[in-house]
Amino acid sequence: GQQLNQSPQSMFIQEGEDVSMNCTSSSIFNTWLWYKQDPGEGPVLLIALYKAGELTSNGRLTAQFGITRKDSFLNISASIPSDVGIYFCAGQLGGTYKYIFGTGTRLKVLA
Amino acid sequence: GAGVSQSPSNKVTEKGKDVELRCDPISGHTALYWYRQRLGQGLEFLIYFQGNSAPDKSGLPSDRFSAERTGESVSTLTIQRTQQEDSAVYLCASSLRVSSGGRTDTQYFGPGTRLTVL
Repeated sequence: GQQLNQSPQSMFIQEGEDVSMNCTSSSIFNTWLWYKQDPGEGPVLLIALYKAGELTSNGRLTAQFGITRKDSFLNISASIPSDVGIYFCAGQLGGTYKYIFGTGTRLKVLA
Repeated sequence: GAGVSQSPSNKVTEKGKDVELRCDPISGHTALYWYRQRLGQGLEFLIYFQGNSAPDKSGLPSDRFSAERTGESVSTLTIQRTQQEDSAVYLCASSLRVSSGGRTDTQYFGPGTRLTVL
């Protein structure tokens, strides 16, 4: 099935460092969502973005809806060990109810 | 229950057998989604329900896959004549309602059913 390009695929960082990941697509989206998935669990919604250019924060997390509506990024500041997991972006195609998910960024935080 | 539940949590089956996966959404949620997640991959949209109707079945990979929902509640995803490539985690999500173009109600995911086809 169709998936969004998400990068990086994985990253190891030191505790306290900032993290950045992004998703790009050739399609235009109405909504961008960012999820975190822990092992054996379903994804949990972190941030939802609804307008081009929108910048939204949730604690140490900040995400932006790209101006072209074809991309989005997620930043995590001052990472901590519990940030470990897989982060997914998801875009809702305009005029549809369908969500397209990114391939995921696997984050590992070294204490 | 408070969240989306799925059963079984794990299912091992032999190639060629049929399997049924169950999803119990959050009470009152009218929208229900099924996704497939292969190992190390993102989520692949399969089907969504608005109430008991499935307006979009385009994500179902083949005619061996079918899904139904009754009472605007429980949904069952059935895979007939399973193949090894069907091995994956099948995730269900529900939301208060489906919106297109406007604000999206948060999708709450269940823990998934891990299907292994031998």
